[in-house]
This record gives sequence, structure tokens and C-alpha cells, in this order.
Amino acid sequence: NAGVTQTPKFQVLKTGQSMTLQCAQDMNHNSMYWYRQDPGMGLRLIYYSASEGTTDKGEVPNGYNVSRLNKREFSLRLESAAPSQTSVYFCASSEAQGHTQYFGPGTRLTVL
Amino acid sequence: AQSVTQLGSHVSVSEGALVLLRCNYSSSVPPYLFWYVQYPNQGLQLLLKYTTGATLVKGINGFEAEFKKSETSFHLTKPSAHMSDAAEYFCAVSYNNNDMRFGAGTRLTVKP
Repeated sequence: NAGVTQTPKFQVLKTGQSMTLQCAQDMNHNSMYWYRQDPGMGLRLIYYSASEGTTDKGEVPNGYNVSRLNKREFSLRLESAAPSQTSVYFCASSEAQGHTQYFGPGTRLTVL
Repeated sequence: AQSVTQLGSHVSVSEGALVLLRCNYSSSVPPYLFWYVQYPNQGLQLLLKYTTGATLVKGINGFEAEFKKSETSFHLTKPSAHMSDAAEYFCAVSYNNNDMRFGAGTRLTVKP
């Protein structure tokens, strides 16, 4: 049982480049989330999707877009990467909002 | 708005000593409370959670936490630390099926 998978594991971008982080879950969960983790700041919610077909902004949405492609997949796109977006990105899923979240292994992104 | 405060960004204990990681929340209604653990270069894993019922919650790896409504606290304890407990620990809160909010994290070091 894979749980939550994320690709890629590592990525280096130059300022202004774009990329999409992929996330998939095989637990038939309704809700999915994207977080960023920075030293001393815990996890901050970027975007979430409470259910298939809906997406909403979290705490730090600027510079990001998301797509809930289907119930399994939730992607995060950086249109024009900036050094401030250097971070570790985690995808998570849960049966519903407020319930236990299950996390992927993370993507370590560096923007030069 | 709900928030979570973890007292102490770093805690160091000796192997075999008591582990106490503190978490306080601000919420006008009883929340759901969670503790997650993150080992180096991995995603977050659920240690334990409180939803309703018994206020003393037992989790994996010998950890437990007690929900104290009067103190708005959910401190994490383990009677005897093991070297393998060295990790970062996150307290999180949610209520009314809203998004989960995470504390900034506490890094636990275990000295031999």
C-alpha cells in the first residue's frame, strides 16, 4: 500500500522557471493538501482541496497554483519560481477536513 | 482563529529520562488534537490523536498525551527516552472539520 506519493524527490530550479509537483494517494481520501516546511516555521498550508472538484487557498498561496485532477491526484504548480520558494514541500491527504492527515515523503526544492 | 504554541524549539534529554514536549492551543471549542513525528528527511507520521472520550491518549512507541481543557494543553510525554526517539515533533489542532494548524515544532535530542 503506497499511501501518499510525491514526485520528484529533489529539484533545482533557476529563478523564473516553472515546474509542477505531483502528488497521488491511494486511500480513497476526499481531502488533499499542499504544505511547505521552512526551518522554525512548522508546516504552512499553501492550498487544499476539501473534495474532488474544489480547491481553496491556505495560509501562503501567493506564487502557487493547484489542480485537483481527480480524486487521487493533486498537483502544485510554480509558474515563475523565486528564491523565497526554496523549501520542502509536503502533500497530505485525509478522509475529510480536520481528520488525521497522511503525508508523503516530501519534495526538496531549491530555487537559485 | 485557532493557533498552536509549542514551548521550546529544542529539547534535550538523556537516554532513559522523561520526555515532556509542551503544546498549548487557542480555541473557543474543544478541538481535535494531534501529535506527529518527523524523522530526518521523511514526511510526518501520526503519533497519537485526541478526538473525544478519554483525555489520556496512548500512541505509538510508548508516547502518550493528556488533553486538559482547563489548561488548553495537550502535552506529549514518554517515561523513558530512547535514542531512536530523536526527531522533530509537531502538535496540531483542528475543529469543526476545518483545516489543521501545526505548531512550529520541537526538535528532540537524546543524549547517550
